[in-house]
Amino acid sequence: DGGITQSPKYLFRKEGQNVTLSCEQNLNHDAMYWYRQDPGQGLRLIYYSQIVNDFQKGDIAEGYSVSREKKESFPLTVTSAQKNPTAFYLCASRWPNQPQHFGDGTRLSIL
Amino acid sequence: KQEVTQIPAALSVPEGENLVLNCSFTDSAIYNLQWFRQDPGKGLTSLLLIQSSQREQTSGRLNASLDKSSGRSTLYIAASQPGDSATYLCAVYHRSQGNLIFGKGTKLSVKP
Repeated sequence: DGGITQSPKYLFRKEGQNVTLSCEQNLNHDAMYWYRQDPGQGLRLIYYSQIVNDFQKGDIAEGYSVSREKKESFPLTVTSAQKNPTAFYLCASRWPNQPQHFGDGTRLSIL
Repeated sequence: KQEVTQIPAALSVPEGENLVLNCSFTDSAIYNLQWFRQDPGKGLTSLLLIQSSQREQTSGRLNASLDKSSGRSTLYIAASQPGDSATYLCAVYHRSQGNLIFGKGTKLSVKP
């Protein structure tokens, strides 16, 4: 079955630690996205990539980094510079002008 | 800057009732508008996508309309069921911003 796989489902970060969230898709989509969702808030865009080896900052990119070395993969690193990382992180992908497909999310918490 | 607003923030209805969820956006220069459903602790499931040239889309008991000139969309759910309980999110794909802009959602509860 085609879809988007995010791992892990739950992740805990220690002070000063970088952590990486995985996002893999087998839908052959060119565009991939990372969103952050806080309680009672809509989704906010962190980074997006329209094509391999290219990505752009979204509205809240500070403290995050990404890479897009393969079409299928778009990992997100939450760096120690992100002082308030506790949130639900969602990865998505799509064809141009088609609906976005989402993974099941990763919930990140501070230890 | 494009802003998306959803009213009400929460809604509780008895089973069987027809209901309407509202979405408004400030800039009519959109490519399309998408409605999503989100269950607690889960990702988003796409329900309907309306292109900017379209007026409405239907899928089963769901009907979404788009009035670009007034910056409004509605999601109509017919004969609501307890299984419809979830948060419904509206998002617009803005021409200049190149990505989806989301509203904060309407949390729907359908009581048996």
